Amino acid sequence: QKEVEQNSGPLSVPEGAIASLNCTYSDRGSQSFFWYRQYSGKSPELIMSIYSNGDKEDGRFTAQLNKASQYVSLLIRDSQPSDSATYLCAVKAGAQKLVFGQGTRLTINP
Amino acid sequence: DGGITQSPKYLFRKEGQNVTLSCEQNLNHDAMYWYRQDPGQGLRLIYYSQIVNDFQKGDIAEGYSVSREKKESFPLTVTSAQKNPTAFYLCASSTRQPSGANVLTFGAGSRLTVL
Repeated sequence: QKEVEQNSGPLSVPEGAIASLNCTYSDRGSQSFFWYRQYSGKSPELIMSIYSNGDKEDGRFTAQLNKASQYVSLLIRDSQPSDSATYLCAVKAGAQKLVFGQGTRLTINP
Repeated sequence: DGGITQSPKYLFRKEGQNVTLSCEQNLNHDAMYWYRQDPGQGLRLIYYSQIVNDFQKGDIAEGYSVSREKKESFPLTVTSAQKNPTAFYLCASSTRQPSGANVLTFGAGSRLTVL
């Protein structure tokens, strides 16, 4: 079993709809969780971090964490074409190590 | 402006050659990392360093070497022992947040192609 798993997609969502991205992880002791956005040919950029169970909202983005189910998700409301990118889930493993999922490619259709 | 500078952006190498990728940061971050990304894949950790003159192997260190002689610099050498070096290489740095987590900041990346 991979340490961090994501559906590679592609996930296609109409403009204005809610995009839902999911991630599961294997290390029950993980405490820190991150979502990065990566445009094609570019480096990843951090869009959300979450450390406690529940929801965390930042503008159109909401991160949801359920440690009992070892599940973290990212919701994007009012999806825009500029949201089209690959979204990487990352989980902190150990003192300094961050483990990434394979990423979900999201396409927003105008 | 603070940030991470990687060079070169594109690099072509013949088989059997060693190449060195540069990574410099002026963020005053203690920790630095090298990741490799293959098409359609996530990031895999090659090496990381928490302090000067110290570094640890990541998940795919074979065929790579690093040094950390200065806080600002963490160069990666791709040796001829690396059998499949064509990839996108990302350097990152981090500092500990008040929450205790380490948030990564990435450079723009170096794309290595072996001819």
